Amino acid sequence: EAQVTQNPRYLITVTGKKLTVTCSQNMNHEYMSWYRQDPGLGLRQIYYSMNVEVTDKGDVPEGYKVSRKEKRNFPLILESPSPNQTSLYFCASSAGRASGNTIYFGEGSWLTVV
Amino acid sequence: AQSVAQPEDQVNVAEGNPLTVKCTYSVSGNPYLFWYVQYPNRGLQFLLKYITGDNLVKGSYGFEAEFNKSQTSFHLKKPSALVSDSALYFCAVRALNRDDKIIFGKGTRLHILP
Repeated sequence: EAQVTQNPRYLITVTGKKLTVTCSQNMNHEYMSWYRQDPGLGLRQIYYSMNVEVTDKGDVPEGYKVSRKEKRNFPLILESPSPNQTSLYFCASSAGRASGNTIYFGEGSWLTVV
Repeated sequence: AQSVAQPEDQVNVAEGNPLTVKCTYSVSGNPYLFWYVQYPNRGLQFLLKYITGDNLVKGSYGFEAEFNKSQTSFHLKKPSALVSDSALYFCAVRALNRDDKIIFGKGTRLHILP
């Protein structure tokens, strides 16, 4: 089954404690991306990756890091989380650069920073 | 710059009535337009997309959308609403450019009243 898998689904952490949200897709997609969803703001792109070892900033990259060492994985790293990073996070992937390709989403990761 | 607008935060429709969720876009070049649905505590699920061709696009769960180039709109429609259609709906636009960026609207919450 085609899937984008994120872990953890739910996490409460404290300010400053580094955390990583993993994302893995089994569709051999080149394109992967991270979004955060906040009430009234919709989905905002954090980082994206066109392929292995190629990453770029989205609209709200501050406070986040990513890496793309393998095609299937695209972890999101919060080096020093702060309360304003409390949000619902989604990983997504799609095939290639062809803009008509459907984007597939993970189930989301609820992150609370206290 | 690309942008997507969903002018209604919430739409209420009686069960059995037709529904419309509005979306307008701005993009240079040909637009690739998508609708996604998000049920509570779930990720975004693909409903339908417009790439080229027929302006009326049919998708999952009986939904359809009409691409109108002159009005730069891509409204989501369904002839007869079901209570189970109650969810958050996102319109998205993607254009083939350097970063192949995908822009989402802020979402419209659809309430189907029994």
